[in-house]
Amino acid sequence: DTEVTQTPKHLVMGMTNKKSLKCEQHMGHRAMYWYKQKAKKPPELMFVYSYEKLSINESVPSRFSPECPNSSLLNLHLHALQPEDSALYLCASSQDLRDRGRRDTEAFFGQGTRLTVV
Amino acid sequence: DQQVKQNSPSLSVQEGRISILNCDYTNSMFDYFLWYKKYPAEGPTFLISISSIKDKNEDGRFTVFLNKSAKHLSLHIVPSQPGDSAVYFCAASERTYGMRFGAGTRLTVKP
Repeated sequence: DTEVTQTPKHLVMGMTNKKSLKCEQHMGHRAMYWYKQKAKKPPELMFVYSYEKLSINESVPSRFSPECPNSSLLNLHLHALQPEDSALYLCASSQDLRDRGRRDTEAFFGQGTRLTVV
Repeated sequence: DQQVKQNSPSLSVQEGRISILNCDYTNSMFDYFLWYKKYPAEGPTFLISISSIKDKNEDGRFTVFLNKSAKHLSLHIVPSQPGDSAVYFCAASERTYGMRFGAGTRLTVKP
């Protein structure tokens, strides 16, 4: 199973709403990531979790709040978003650096959640 | 500050010919490089990678070349097939986590 599953696939939310994006993997990966991708732009790293602990926050606004409740799940809680936050949000996972000595660092991506903020 | 650059937004090649996609990087701390392929409405799919201790890695029709002194890598696809038409992203990582992506190159392989 090399699948990363993201739900929902599409989400429309108002600027006052609170919603959550979910990501799940069962590959035993202990590093998980959130990326944001705007149209015709590359994916931009937002957060990195290593062994369920936040290790990188790329200066993301606090209206995005990540959570890693266990080794298979990664959530992204959304609150008071702006229309410019509309994008494709991608979750990815990989083996953790400590587990594999820098080999096989490729990350597997989910299909993404297409978020529209109205 | 774009640390990974793909200067060609698009590339068109004839089926059966070679496709060469290029990527440059600025961060000398990067030590692992990857190529991802992306179709519309899907997440990126891993294609091939190379560690900085190597200068070439081959997997079937795909070969990645790394020139550390020039901070340049390239992806060769031989022979190119229409199904290879997609956006190709170059990515790089260092000992900390998380990949940085280039802007992507849209490859079109014409039958």
